[in-house]
Amino acid sequence: EAGVAQSPRYKIIEKRQSVAFWCNPISGHATLYWYQQILGQGPKLLIQFQNNGVVDDSQLPKDRFSAERLKGVDSTLKIQPAKLEDSAVYLCASSLRGGLGNTIYFGEGSWLTVV
Amino acid sequence: GNSVTQMEGPVTLSEEAFLTINCTYTATGYPSLFWYVQYPGEGLQLLLKATKADDKGSNKGFEATYRKETTSFHLEKGSVQVSDSAVYFCALSDRGDDKIIFGKGTRLHILP
Repeated sequence: EAGVAQSPRYKIIEKRQSVAFWCNPISGHATLYWYQQILGQGPKLLIQFQNNGVVDDSQLPKDRFSAERLKGVDSTLKIQPAKLEDSAVYLCASSLRGGLGNTIYFGEGSWLTVV
Repeated sequence: GNSVTQMEGPVTLSEEAFLTINCTYTATGYPSLFWYVQYPGEGLQLLLKATKADDKGSNKGFEATYRKETTSFHLEKGSVQVSDSAVYFCALSDRGDDKIIFGKGTRLHILP
């Protein structure tokens, strides 16, 4: 079974530039998550989708971050304009249906460096 | 709010040593508890989980018991290997909400 796919794996941009990350979840998984993992910290949930609807985006900095999952399958996370503090690993994850006790599978992450 | 606190690393042990990584949590409901592992250059993987008090999760020789009375979920392994070198994250997910809250992670180095 294919895992959660993410691209690009690595990206270096200058501050105030924009960047987009793509995620393709495990086939059939209705729930998709984007997490931000800053070096030395645990991952923090940015946004959760159930199919193509947003369940939780309370920690998404909406002035610069946006995410979409238009057809309920793959998803894109965009940052515009980027700040130095956005340097982090952006993890995409998916689960079959969401809900307590449901196993969440993570991708390998997209490493962003803002200079 | 809900939170997870785990011991700071790095933790350095010799091969075949006994491992304990402490984890305590704060939660308003009855959370599920998890340990995730992140090997170098790889994504997060679920190592084990427990969904109710006194449950023991186990996998690959690792164990953790859900202790409601001490709000703890300490990770243990009797004999570690070099291949266990990784970052370990304790995490929780509250009842009715599958948002996972992670601790800061503990880096483990095993020396041959």
